[in-house]
Amino acid sequence: QKEVEQNSGPLSVPEGAIASLNCTYSDRGSQSFFWYRQYSGKSPELIMSIYSNGDKEDGRFTAQLNKASQYVSLLIRDSQPSDSATYLCAVISNTNAGKSTFGDGTTLTVKP
Amino acid sequence: KAGVTQTPRYLIKTRGQQVTLSCSPISGHRSVSWYQQTPGQGLQFLFEYFSETQRNKGNFPGRFSGRQFSNSRSEMNVSTLELGDSALYLCASSQLAGSQETQYFGPGTRLLVL
Repeated sequence: QKEVEQNSGPLSVPEGAIASLNCTYSDRGSQSFFWYRQYSGKSPELIMSIYSNGDKEDGRFTAQLNKASQYVSLLIRDSQPSDSATYLCAVISNTNAGKSTFGDGTTLTVKP
Repeated sequence: KAGVTQTPRYLIKTRGQQVTLSCSPISGHRSVSWYQQTPGQGLQFLFEYFSETQRNKGNFPGRFSGRQFSNSRSEMNVSTLELGDSALYLCASSQLAGSQETQYFGPGTRLLVL
């Protein structure tokens, strides 16, 4: 079992729709959770961080964390073609400071 | 604040050579981590330095090494390069805020080994 698993893509949504990205993790000591966006040929760009259970909203992005279920998700509302990218879920454990463990990523395509 | 910077951005080497990559973290950040990204393996953790000490190490051979200087700048060295070392090498810096740590990535160094 991978330490961080993301729903397999690719994911395609029409412009204006909600895109839902999911991630599960295996280490119950995980305490920091992130969503990064990566365009082809570029480095990962942090779009959301979440540390406690519940929802965190930032503009069109909402991250949801459920530590009991070891689950973190990202919702993108009013999806735009510019949101087309690979989204990486990352987790840092309280026993491994400085080490992010990444999922394989989900490629999102937003069609005009 | 300036972001994480990495040099060089692109590098071409031949098998058997060695290479040194450099990373300057965000001002005030004392933790620097290195990752390798390849199409087949995704993003994999190499090692992390904090206050000039290696705190964490991933599952890479000893050909991969690093160090951190007193100003938090870090270098990564790969000796005896292999074709499979061709990858995007990413550096990330972070500053712990209580138990909340967030990593910010630099633009990466793309290494091609011929």
